[in-house]
Amino acid sequence: AQKITQTQPGMFVQEKEAVTLDCTYDTSDPSYGLFWYKQPSSGEMIFLIYQGSYDQQNATEGRYSLNFQKARKSANLVISASQLGDSAMYFCAMTREDSSASKIIFGSGTRLSIRP
Amino acid sequence: DTGVSQNPRHKITKRGQNVTFRCDPISEHNRLYWYRQTLGQGPEFLTYFQNEAQLEKSRLLSDRFSAERPKGSFSTLEIQRTEQGDSAMYLCASSPRLAGTDTQYFGPGTRLTVL
Repeated sequence: AQKITQTQPGMFVQEKEAVTLDCTYDTSDPSYGLFWYKQPSSGEMIFLIYQGSYDQQNATEGRYSLNFQKARKSANLVISASQLGDSAMYFCAMTREDSSASKIIFGSGTRLSIRP
Repeated sequence: DTGVSQNPRHKITKRGQNVTFRCDPISEHNRLYWYRQTLGQGPEFLTYFQNEAQLEKSRLLSDRFSAERPKGSFSTLEIQRTEQGDSAMYLCASSPRLAGTDTQYFGPGTRLTVL
């Protein structure tokens, strides 16, 4: 069975600083995908970044990068130059990467608060 | 707006009533998913469709819950005889199911409150 663990229930960061949100995962599937989603107070889940298990390079999307360490089974999200609008819940998630893949398994989330 | 849309955004109902939610996926996305999210938790998978076929259902989806996607486009989620424990955010997502990835794009959700 797949499992996602996010050990930081909440974090406070000063505006313009970089922040790392931790995520570890457990799976026996040989091929899988890892995601990060942002959920502002409005409730919508916003896709941020994706990393495939066979990707050689860490994924990057603008200010977001995914620090993928396969041997350690970790997929930390790094946000550079944080902004006030980054305040939200952040969820790490994973799915199988085969034709039968369906559901995404989510972690419990980290609430990020950016201080001005 | 070409994203996933959900209606209604909020629903308040009395225990025992039936409710129905609608989800319109991103055009041409052949996969559609329903999740439930309770306060302080990540979303939990309920069910998904590939085109009009319902391919997987979670054990969370009791017999009071039914989902349909009759023409492979929009989907409805119905909850019969609602209970207070059904109070949650119901999220819909869609994906194009391209080979190798299955990024799911979520709608704004329907927040259900059962009194």
